[in-house]
Amino acid sequence: DIQMTQSPSSLSASVGDRVTITCRASQSISSFLNWYQQKPGKAPKLLIYAASTLQGGVPSRFSGSGSGTDFTLTISSLQPEDFATYYCQQSYSTPMYTFGQGTKLE
Amino acid sequence: QVQLQESGPGLVKPSQTLSLTCTVSGDSISSGSYYWSWIRQPAGKGLEWIGLISTSGSTNYNPSLKSRVTISRDTSKNQISLKLSSVTAADTAMYYCARKRDGYRLGSWFDPWGQGTLVTVSS
Repeated sequence: DIQMTQSPSSLSASVGDRVTITCRASQSISSFLNWYQQKPGKAPKLLIYAASTLQGGVPSRFSGSGSGTDFTLTISSLQPEDFATYYCQQSYSTPMYTFGQGTKLE
Repeated sequence: QVQLQESGPGLVKPSQTLSLTCTVSGDSISSGSYYWSWIRQPAGKGLEWIGLISTSGSTNYNPSLKSRVTISRDTSKNQISLKLSSVTAADTAMYYCARKRDGYRLGSWFDPWGQGTLVTVSS
């Protein structure tokens, strides 16, 4: 299985901050990497797919980059509604999909 | 707008079979190019993909759960189902259904998700 490791596991930030979350794959996954946002008591919501493509309706302050084994999710200016847990997910080893352990932004 | 709604017993006894249903509205589970998945999340933990069913009815499962999982569908009701046998406390989790989409040379992603249903395994 391809293992996905996110860092940090938790991150303390303030409104207006630029925030970067990293996701590393145990082997190359090309650009087959997605990011989700999960708020307490809610289902995950797709933010970015294929490493850098913003899902419709997602604010442009969110961006993704990377390929191969190293990926980043960046929030350019943190807003109050962005405090949540973020997960990366690989789809290279289809049909076995794995997620990172999550990064809690607080 | 596609909506998914999970339902099923919130409490299952150890060694019994967990049975959940996901009702899909706004899309057909038997046509198009999507797949329909189950994903679970123990409290305070990460996400684990369980398996999926295609519009043609073919299935794929997480190898770690394959011996205990069955995903099926009822096209007349536009529902997909999950059965997980021989459950233990380790199967206690929020269970989500989600639509999986494939993009040409873009990989696959899950969107949208249902709100989830909590299943507790306890005697």
